[in-house]
Amino acid sequence: RKEVEQDPGPFNVPEGATVAFNCTYSNSASQSFFWYRQDCRKEPKLLMSVYSSGNEDGRFTAQLNRASQYISLLIRDSKLSDSATYLCVVIPSMSDMRFGAGTRLTVKP
Amino acid sequence: NAGVTQTPKFQVLKTGQSMTLQCAQDMNHEYMSWYRQDPGMGLRLIHYSVGAGITDQGEVPNGYNVSRSTTEDFPLRLLSAAPSQTSVYFCASSSPRAEETQYFGPGTRLLVL
Repeated sequence: RKEVEQDPGPFNVPEGATVAFNCTYSNSASQSFFWYRQDCRKEPKLLMSVYSSGNEDGRFTAQLNRASQYISLLIRDSKLSDSATYLCVVIPSMSDMRFGAGTRLTVKP
Repeated sequence: NAGVTQTPKFQVLKTGQSMTLQCAQDMNHEYMSWYRQDPGMGLRLIHYSVGAGITDQGEVPNGYNVSRSTTEDFPLRLLSAAPSQTSVYFCASSSPRAEETQYFGPGTRLLVL
């Protein structure tokens, strides 16, 4: 079983739609959680951190469920520019980032 | 700031050849790392360094060497390339105060024939 698992997608949604991605992790001792965004043939970039209480950044909401060991990312009012692959990142210990394989999103006009 | 730079962008090697992937950062970050990204696998950590003169192995270190003689540079060496090392390689750096915020280079696409 992979340490970090994501639905690979692709998710194809129309502009304005709400879309949610889930990510599960296997190491219950994991300390920190993040979502990164990766555009096609580009490097990953930090999108947002995920806090236990849940957090929001504009149209993006991230949530963590430690008991079930999953994190989620919700995107509201999808834009064409949201088309990318979204990587779930879990840090079980210092200097040890574990990446999911990513979920691909395509937002269509 | 140029951020994190990597050279070359693309490389084709024959099995058994050696090469060095270059990585440099100008943000004075102490932490640097190398990842490889393969389809369906996510990024996997090869080697990392917490400062000049200090390196350690990540999840998939076999077949790769690193050194960190300066804060700015963190080259990755393939000693004897194998087709299994065909991948996209990303170098990343971060501040020790915000280790989770890694800044990635643009990547090197390597094909080993």
